[in-house]
Amino acid sequence: SQTIHQWPATLVQPVGSPLSLECTVEGTSNPNLYWYRQAAGRGLQLLFYSVGIGQISSEVPQNLSASRPQDRQFILSSKKLLLSDSGFYLCAWRELGTKETQYFGPGTRLLVL
Amino acid sequence: AQTVTQSQPEMSVQEAETVTLSCTYDTSESDYYLFWYKQPPSRQMILVIRQEAYKQQNATENRFSVNFQKAAKSFSLKISDSQLGDAAMYFCAYRRDDSNYQLIWGAGTKLIIKP
Repeated sequence: SQTIHQWPATLVQPVGSPLSLECTVEGTSNPNLYWYRQAAGRGLQLLFYSVGIGQISSEVPQNLSASRPQDRQFILSSKKLLLSDSGFYLCAWRELGTKETQYFGPGTRLLVL
Repeated sequence: AQTVTQSQPEMSVQEAETVTLSCTYDTSESDYYLFWYKQPPSRQMILVIRQEAYKQQNATENRFSVNFQKAAKSFSLKISDSQLGDAAMYFCAYRRDDSNYQLIWGAGTKLIIKP
């Protein structure tokens, strides 16, 4: 069966510091991968999605970036965090070539101070 | 552009009773998918139920069922025999049939279960 991991689970960072959040998927090949952000009490906002290694599409202009160095690894980064980057970050996957559902990881809580 | 509206910010129900969460959407597409996700306090997003627009039959998963009214663009979730573990935020989401990625999300409904 497929599983999706995210780490760290919680992160507190000062403004201006760099960021690296990691997401990995097991039990599937060539998944579509997604990064979402959720502000407190709000719905999800799609940040990035990827259909393959090195292929990243951005939905929202911001100081965040994403990379996919391996088939089942998706990384969310920033060179300099802003206060507004605080939130809950969710990674999701979907089996490539199917119309199946997106399945979500446990998420990372990021607090920028 | 497609939009998803959940008009109930919060709902409460007595344990063991039935509750219905509403969701409406706006689209000009004929083929699409609709989802209900549950987000408990742990904040992990969990799929509850999925409906394909081309299917007339309402989807059912154990105590969870939907009332899909395509013409009215309505997609409500019914939870029967509510349990304490059902307490969570519930999100309705829409995806176009030809889309690789774009899930459009509602703002969510907080469901409170009263013991």
